[in-house]
Amino acid sequence: EPEVTQTPSHQVTQMGQEVILRCVPISNHLYFYWYRQILGQKVEFLVSFYNNEISEKSEIFDDQFSVERPDGSNFTLKIRSTKLEDSAMYFCASSEAEYGAHNEQFFGPGTRLTVL
Amino acid sequence: GDSVTQMEGPVTLSEEAFLTINCTYTATGYPSLFWYVQYPGEGLQLLLKATKADDKGSNKGFEATYRKETTSFHLEKGSVQVSDSAVYFCALSGDSGAGSYQLTFGKGTKLSVIP
Repeated sequence: EPEVTQTPSHQVTQMGQEVILRCVPISNHLYFYWYRQILGQKVEFLVSFYNNEISEKSEIFDDQFSVERPDGSNFTLKIRSTKLEDSAMYFCASSEAEYGAHNEQFFGPGTRLTVL
Repeated sequence: GDSVTQMEGPVTLSEEAFLTINCTYTATGYPSLFWYVQYPGEGLQLLLKATKADDKGSNKGFEATYRKETTSFHLEKGSVQVSDSAVYFCALSGDSGAGSYQLTFGKGTKLSVIP
């Protein structure tokens, strides 16, 4: 069964460093998303992406964040200068459609980011 | 904005007990509703969904009915197993009129099933 994959599974970085989190969405999906989950808290939406553009972003997704689809398969989240409060589990998701019968979002296993 | 309120746990049940996890929502229009499950150390898995009023989503013995009149989507299972121990998240996404398709999650309910 097709699945969303993410690498690395765990990333440790120093405060102020740049990190890139990678995701491979399901191949026939067109809509891509990033969410994060700070330990013990609810899952929060960061950004959605369609047709090589950001379609929606939350207040969390400020100028230090960026997303890219560098080729036909990968979808990346870059954090330019990490802060301690960026420590969280980051989930990538993809969906076939935005709404209607095929709007369910399928999630990857997550990347745990630890900022020291 | 959209919001989801779900029963906070933790919930501890004996094997074969009946499970209900309450979920209510606030949203404009006709959102789609979902239950996701997160097993220990793993990511989020879609458990079931419903896209319009009175739809019933079901999977692995779990059921939830989209009730627009009470803005609810309660999760039920008639007989839980130890393997159902996980965190359950209720979530919604907007409809085509609302223009927002991000998932809005509840805080999650941790379920522990003891033998």
